[in-house]
Amino acid sequence: QITLKESGPTLVKPTQTLTLTCTFSGFSLSSRAVGVGWIRQPPGKALEWLGVVYWDDDNRYSPSLKSRLTMTTDTFKNQVVLTVTNMDPVDTATYYCARRAGAFGGAFDYWGQGMLVTVSS
Amino acid sequence: QSVLTQPPSVSGAPGQRVTISCTGSSSNIGAGYDVHWYQQLPGTAPKLLIYINTNRPSGAPDRFSGSKSGTSASLAIIGLQAEDEADYYCQSYDSSLSGSVFGTGTKVTVL
Repeated sequence: QITLKESGPTLVKPTQTLTLTCTFSGFSLSSRAVGVGWIRQPPGKALEWLGVVYWDDDNRYSPSLKSRLTMTTDTFKNQVVLTVTNMDPVDTATYYCARRAGAFGGAFDYWGQGMLVTVSS
Repeated sequence: QSVLTQPPSVSGAPGQRVTISCTGSSSNIGAGYDVHWYQQLPGTAPKLLIYINTNRPSGAPDRFSGSKSGTSASLAIIGLQAEDEADYYCQSYDSSLSGSVFGTGTKVTVL
């Protein structure tokens, strides 16, 4: 059974750094063409792709957020960590991690439940 | 502002057919990149509905079908049901952005 779950703070202050952890099970990030992606969704708005981390650390980030994003993997712990620097109220959103499967053409076939992060002083 | 444009809303009576468009450009759908579709029920995470333009993952109802032509893709719901009331998103890759993009999203209402 494949599962993913996000964890981290639900409230951060403006200018602070957000660190979210995605803990997954049922698959290995050391498999070719398998990645873990981060997607966010501001309240009432559309999904926004943040980036993907792959088995070989070939990470890809959204160009508009690239300077603020870092994604790292801990293969032994089956975890992916997302770091977003200089948080702003506009970054308030539900943050999802999801598995990107090459067998599905790169679609996200399994998603975490999501985690609402609020940026407020 | 997403590079994949969807109608904000579509509606239909139970049993009807509704179609959701996803309009892109020559740097994404028109370049031949695959399109995927997701269904997001209220208060839940998105769920993969269609992958690689036309394929349904295991468990996805066969009343959902996807197509792609030129710079656009479409999701059709044939025989609309009350439980289909949700938000739907398309996704593709954009070469100018060197990354994946989601559509603007469409809310389906069952009348």
